[in-house]
Amino acid sequence: GAGVSQTPSNKVTEKGKYVELRCDPISGHTALYWYRQSLGQGPEFLIYFQGTGAADDSGLPNDRFFAVRPEGSVSTLKIQRTERGDSAVYLCASSSGTGYEQYFGPGTRLTVT
Amino acid sequence: AQKITQTQPGMFVQEKEAVTLDCTYDTSDPSYGLFWYKQPSSGEMIFLIYQGSYDQQNATEGRYSLNFQKARKSANLVISASQLGDSAMYFCAMREGYSGGSNYKLTFGKGTLLTVNP
Repeated sequence: GAGVSQTPSNKVTEKGKYVELRCDPISGHTALYWYRQSLGQGPEFLIYFQGTGAADDSGLPNDRFFAVRPEGSVSTLKIQRTERGDSAVYLCASSSGTGYEQYFGPGTRLTVT
Repeated sequence: AQKITQTQPGMFVQEKEAVTLDCTYDTSDPSYGLFWYKQPSSGEMIFLIYQGSYDQQNATEGRYSLNFQKARKSANLVISASQLGDSAMYFCAMREGYSGGSNYKLTFGKGTLLTVNP
């Protein structure tokens, strides 16, 4: 079946602009996670959704970052007033909610110029 | 203190030989899980193996095995019979706690770049 998909695969934006990154999880997966991977680092947790609600947003770095999952499937990560330090690969993962394994998407590479 | 420590930035191994990638972790939670993921140059994260803190036996998945030493808080990945396609970044990760829910957010180490030589 289809895996986790993320769009766009690459996004280049200017400092100060607003961006939206989309994640389409595996069908039926209730748990969805966003991670950020900076160059040379491991992924860092941003936010976790169980169904439609953000059950844990402790990893969001500041209030410029926001994520939604209005229908419990597709999620959008929104970044306002982008900064050069936001440049990274943004990874989305989903799981069934009862299993421990997370299935990752290919990521969106965000570059802020 | 870092929760996941991978002390080997890079490792080299000859094709067909075994290699061990080190991982130590830090948690005070009695319930936790340890994971290894592979990230090829294409960027996707591929799940390899999982070990729960209460599991009595070391986890194995094909050519991958996890050398779990609870008292030492280490969870090293052993890859047997290395193949050229094993060349990639390898990340150790941990999930802490069990709240009765399903939040399995992961904390990752910085990774080890494995290069398999022909």
